[in-house]
Amino acid sequence: AQKVTQAQTEISVVEKEDVTLDCVYETRDTTYYLFWYKQPPSGELVFLIRRNSFDEQNEISGRYSWNFQKSTSSFNFTITASQVVDSAVYFCALNPPGGGADGLTFGKGTHLIIQP
Amino acid sequence: DVKVTQSSRYLVKRTGEKVFLECVQDMDHENMFWYRQDPGLGLRLIYFSYDVKMKEKGDIPEGYSVSREKKERFSLILESASTNQTSMYLCASSPPLLEQYFGPGTRLTVT
Repeated sequence: AQKVTQAQTEISVVEKEDVTLDCVYETRDTTYYLFWYKQPPSGELVFLIRRNSFDEQNEISGRYSWNFQKSTSSFNFTITASQVVDSAVYFCALNPPGGGADGLTFGKGTHLIIQP
Repeated sequence: DVKVTQSSRYLVKRTGEKVFLECVQDMDHENMFWYRQDPGLGLRLIYFSYDVKMKEKGDIPEGYSVSREKKERFSLILESASTNQTSMYLCASSPPLLEQYFGPGTRLTVT
């Protein structure tokens, strides 16, 4: 069985601080995809990034960066110089074995609060 | 841009009613999904479809059915709504193996 764990239920930081959201996953498959989604207060999940299991290079997109470490089964997400607009619930997700049409396995999400 | 639309943002129904939630995507995606989201439980997959008229049960299909008569449309049906089906319902679509794109969600309240 596969599983995604986001141990941080809620994080609160002051604007401009850096913050890292943790994601640990379990899967028996050697080929898989990992994702991060953002859910702002409006409710719609917004896709942020996809990473396949063969690509362990870190990724940076503006203030966002992702650290994928296969050895520790982690796919952590860092926001640098956080802003109030970053306040949202963030979900890490895993594509099931075989990468088929099955639904994603989601973590329970981390509620990020950026205080002005 | 990929667009996934859902028929209602908010819906209030009575126990025992038959409820239809509609989802339409405009990117010709093969796969479509229905999830429900509840506090503390995260997102859970109800049903998915990888082709017209094809459907597969997800993790929590009990009390639900689906219909996919056209590629762009995937409907979730609550045959006899119950209060424990009060939830946020999210529809998504994707090409094979790639990321899913989500609609805005329908917040359903069953009284």
